[in-house]
Amino acid sequence: GAGVSQSPRYKVAKRGQDVALRCDPISGHVSLFWYQQALGQGPEFLTYFQNEAQLDKSGLPSDRFFAERPEGSVSTLKIQRTQQEDSAVYLCASRMGTGASPLHFGNGTRLTVT
Amino acid sequence: GQQLNQSPQSMFIQEGEDVSMNCTSSSIFNTWLWYKQDPGEGPVLLIALYKAGELTSNGRLTAQFGITRKDSFLNISASIPSDVGIYFCAGQGAQKLVFGQGTRLTINP
Repeated sequence: GAGVSQSPRYKVAKRGQDVALRCDPISGHVSLFWYQQALGQGPEFLTYFQNEAQLDKSGLPSDRFFAERPEGSVSTLKIQRTQQEDSAVYLCASRMGTGASPLHFGNGTRLTVT
Repeated sequence: GQQLNQSPQSMFIQEGEDVSMNCTSSSIFNTWLWYKQDPGEGPVLLIALYKAGELTSNGRLTAQFGITRKDSFLNISASIPSDVGIYFCAGQGAQKLVFGQGTRLTINP
């Protein structure tokens, strides 16, 4: 596709439910990142994949958060037993190589936990 | 999590005025980037800086990578209504980006 695609755009979950957020990166992009953006804040790093390998998951806030990219393209961010503090926009980004090439962001999934 | 110190947090200016915002960090970064984010959308890259001391322009935008590698500024000249939005600086070490808190720009016609 032309850009990074995320679905759904909006998700409302009751506290305690599990959610799955999908990211389709730009075709051929090796690196994929997930960021969390709270209201009025800058994006904060969650995790990073190079192809199918999850090389950095230091930003995942708890063991309720899990990300995968099994075939090195589409990625899913799963949040188990959602809490109100998980409410945020979840942004996915991809880039062609590693390091110097620019990072392209999707439009995000806005998660609201009630 | 780690964030950069970006200022000002918000700006209210008249159309046609110049704008300046900056970003500082306690850590050194190899790359500095400036993004713009419109409501309901993801950040869009405006300018990337790869070398300490580098000054780069993109149309009415000019950005500089500080010589210490711990700061950067962005200038917008002759602002127009479509410049409204939130501007983020970001520093890149090896792979991931670390973002500032954003500068919200509002333009009075």
